[in-house]
Amino acid sequence: QQQVKQSPQSLIVQKGGISIINCAYENTAFDYFPWYQQFPGKGPALLIAIRPDVSEKKEGRFTISFNKSAKQFSLHIMDSQPGDSATYFCAASGPSSGTYKYIFGTGTRLKVLA
Amino acid sequence: DVKVTQSSRYLVKRTGEKVFLECVQDMDHENMFWYRQDPGLGLRLIYFSYDVKMKEKGDIPEGYSVSREKKERFSLILESASTNQTSMYLCASYTTGGNTEAFFGQGTRLTVV
Repeated sequence: QQQVKQSPQSLIVQKGGISIINCAYENTAFDYFPWYQQFPGKGPALLIAIRPDVSEKKEGRFTISFNKSAKQFSLHIMDSQPGDSATYFCAASGPSSGTYKYIFGTGTRLKVLA
Repeated sequence: DVKVTQSSRYLVKRTGEKVFLECVQDMDHENMFWYRQDPGLGLRLIYFSYDVKMKEKGDIPEGYSVSREKKERFSLILESASTNQTSMYLCASYTTGGNTEAFFGQGTRLTVV
């Protein structure tokens, strides 16, 4: 099974700080790299996503940085807020072995201290 | 409003019971999957289906089977429930190609006693 490796497993940040979560993928055919946010008792929901033809995408306080040559991408949360406390999953998707795969990282539990 | 609906939010079953978890999506998506989520272990893929009657094993298929008789419905079956299958189960669907967001259900918290 192809992997998406995510780190760190957990992260504690002060309010107003920057949260950074990193992911690495293996399959160069993957063409879509989303981040999902999950609050307790809920299913994950799409937060922001990037395609490999750009190196950065920003939506409000959330930014994805993408390094195609290194097969790595990261989520930056600027001015982190207590309401950002959640579990974050990176993912990579694209064609693989005749189907369209969707591979998730193992998740990062973020806690933002007030 | 797009939806993936899981049949139960909470289930309590006894060891040895056959358990059915149902998932229905209304977006005409080709692809559906089942994950289980455990603290410290993240999301682990159980089974993936890319079309009606088509399936692939994920990372942890042992003790589980699946059924996809109709495009909109993907069922997860625990053949003989065990306590180590106590977990949160998440179903999701997505379409093939393009900027393809995966839509998740609300999850089923299964407790096997």
